[in-house]
Amino acid sequence: GAVVSQHPSWVICKSGTSVKIECRSLDFQATTMFWYRQFPKQSLMLMATSNEGSKATYEQGVEKDKFLINHASLTLSTLTVTSAHPEDSSFYICSARDRVRLGTEAFFGQGTRLTVV
Amino acid sequence: DAKTTQPPSMDCAEGRAANLPCNHSTISGNEYVYWYRQIHSQGPQYIIHGLKNNETNEMASLIITEDRKSSTLILPHATLRDTAVYYCIVSSNSGYALNFGKGTSLLVTP
Repeated sequence: GAVVSQHPSWVICKSGTSVKIECRSLDFQATTMFWYRQFPKQSLMLMATSNEGSKATYEQGVEKDKFLINHASLTLSTLTVTSAHPEDSSFYICSARDRVRLGTEAFFGQGTRLTVV
Repeated sequence: DAKTTQPPSMDCAEGRAANLPCNHSTISGNEYVYWYRQIHSQGPQYIIHGLKNNETNEMASLIITEDRKSSTLILPHATLRDTAVYYCIVSSNSGYALNFGKGTSLLVTP
């Protein structure tokens, strides 16, 4: 099956610093990628939809200036958590779907565990 | 996308079949039923999906009722490694994100 690679798998950063997370589709082109956040014992919550070559669409309540998303190519999307605070500590997961093939499954990265200290 | 309802938790003995139900009574004609699972601290793993017909792959079988208002995921011989949260998701268009509910936490016991 198709592979989505996410990097890093975990990161610890100091409060006030920024962290960049990469999401790559390895064997297919993803015009659209999705970013989720998951807090302990909760389900995945969609943060934003990342469209190649255009601005991301953010879900209600997600600060676009804090969670910067760039989708510069058909195989790479990045999420930058700016001025991170302890409450941003979470499990961040990216996903991609092959838009050309309707009704196909979405593929997920392995997730990034962010801890802000 | 249509909403889904799943039991919060289920137990299954190792080696037995695990049958996970899902209700999606408001599903529309162009919506697929997807099943994913998430093992602790990992990204969701695709299991299977279907539109109308029953489907089977190396991981599981998906049984969709004729009216498409409910479905059952069957793991034929559960192992301890199948312990995970299982999500049933209904989605129509591959251009849209999958919206996750609370899923079913399956515990496979020795």
